[in-house]
Amino acid sequence: DAKTTQPPSMDCAEGRAANLPCNHSTISGNEYVYWYRQIHSQGPQYIIHGLKNNETNEMASLIITEDRKSSTLILPHATLRDTAVYYCIVNTAAGNKLTFGGGTRVLVKP
Amino acid sequence: GAVVSQHPSWVICKSGTSVKIECRSLDFQATTMFWYRQFPKQSLMLMATSNEGSKATYEQGVEKDKFLINHASLTLSTLTVTSAHPEDSSFYICSASAGGSGKDTQYFGPGTRLTVL
Repeated sequence: DAKTTQPPSMDCAEGRAANLPCNHSTISGNEYVYWYRQIHSQGPQYIIHGLKNNETNEMASLIITEDRKSSTLILPHATLRDTAVYYCIVNTAAGNKLTFGGGTRVLVKP
Repeated sequence: GAVVSQHPSWVICKSGTSVKIECRSLDFQATTMFWYRQFPKQSLMLMATSNEGSKATYEQGVEKDKFLINHASLTLSTLTVTSAHPEDSSFYICSASAGGSGKDTQYFGPGTRLTVL
């Protein structure tokens, strides 16, 4: 499975957009990019996923570069409740195994 | 939609006893369920993958005789920690997926915190 690289932490201002980068330079053509977040002492929450095209849902937007070697998760208007560890994961098309890395610890500040 | 529950949410047991944790998909049929473990300040580690009606596939280093997994229906999987010891204390999290490929999203349960005295 392709590995991902994320910054270990970042601070965001409440009400502003939060842009979370992820590098996955060894991604294969049939591998999906998934984003989850984990709030302290809870199970991970699914946010969004994509293959090639940019995706948007009620929680966030996912921007994938044309070469698919990196992506950015955008939280359009960060709130204090968005404080969590965000995981960018590349999921193999066969077997559906998620390998969690260290993620990015996001702190939304008032 | 896509709700996964776990029971119990926390459990304390004595060393040497066995503990069963249930994972249920409430609003979809889960062909595949996964069990993860998370130690404090660490990331989730996949323990095993189970497909309904089949034996579970364990990750390297996970003892299959210690962590018994049953996936008898499309909505229920159980993890039994046998002869639990203090080092088994951890946060156990399940996930469920409607299919077994990368395009099938895994939805996670809220987790079960196990403390072995």
